[in-house]
Amino acid sequence: DVKVTQSSRYLVKRTGEKVFLECVQDMDHENMFWYRQDPGLGLRLIYFSYDVKMKEKGDIPEGYSVSREKKERFSLILESASTNQTSMYLCASSFALNIAKNIQYFGAGTRLSVL
Amino acid sequence: KQEVTQIPAALSVPEGENLVLNCSFTDSAIYNLQWFRQDPGKGLTSLLLIQSSQREQTSGRLNASLDKSSGRSTLYIAASQPGDSATYLCAVENQGGKLIFGQGTELSVKP
Repeated sequence: DVKVTQSSRYLVKRTGEKVFLECVQDMDHENMFWYRQDPGLGLRLIYFSYDVKMKEKGDIPEGYSVSREKKERFSLILESASTNQTSMYLCASSFALNIAKNIQYFGAGTRLSVL
Repeated sequence: KQEVTQIPAALSVPEGENLVLNCSFTDSAIYNLQWFRQDPGKGLTSLLLIQSSQREQTSGRLNASLDKSSGRSTLYIAASQPGDSATYLCAVENQGGKLIFGQGTELSVKP
C-alpha cells in the first residue's frame, strides 16, 4: 500500500513564526502536492513538484514556499505564519505526469492553527 | 478555467437505499476524473479513477460513470450502509497532473 505520512496531525503556532510541514511518501512517486482545505472553499493547490528540486506554483502560493531535496520528501514552509493560514493542510503524491491511471494518494492531513 | 460542481452539497438517506452523487465540470478536455472519500478530520482516499477514454468504472458497490462531452460524472452507491457516511469529492485532472476539486457531497446514511 502507498503510504503518505505527514509529520504532525495538529499544530498550534503563533503569528510570525516560521512553520515547516513535512510530508514523506514511500512509493518512489515522481509527483508531490500540497493543498489546503477550508470550509466553503474546498481543496486548493498551493504548490506541487514533479521531480527533485523542481517546484511549480499552484493556485494559491502566496505566503508559502516548498522544498524537495529528496524524492520522498516534500516540505511546505510558512515563512511568517499569519492567522489566515489557519487551515487543514493535505499532502499527496502520484506516480508521474501524463499517465492514464494517475491516482493521487493523500496523507492524513495537518490541522494548523495560527494564533 | 475549469470549474467542478457537486450536487447536492449534503444528502441523508436510510440504510439500504441506492443513491447517486453528481459531479459536473466546465471544460471537457480532461485527462481523467477521480472520486474520493473523506472521513471527518482525515485525508482523502481514492475510490475510483475513470480515464478520459472510459465510460465507467466499478468497485464493489460503487459505480462511477463519465460523460465527457456533457461534462458530467455520477457516483452510484448500491445498498448504502452507515459506514458509507463521509464526504465524497470528485476531481478532474487536466494536462499537467493538477487536480481540480469539487466542494464535495456530505453523505449521511441512517441506520
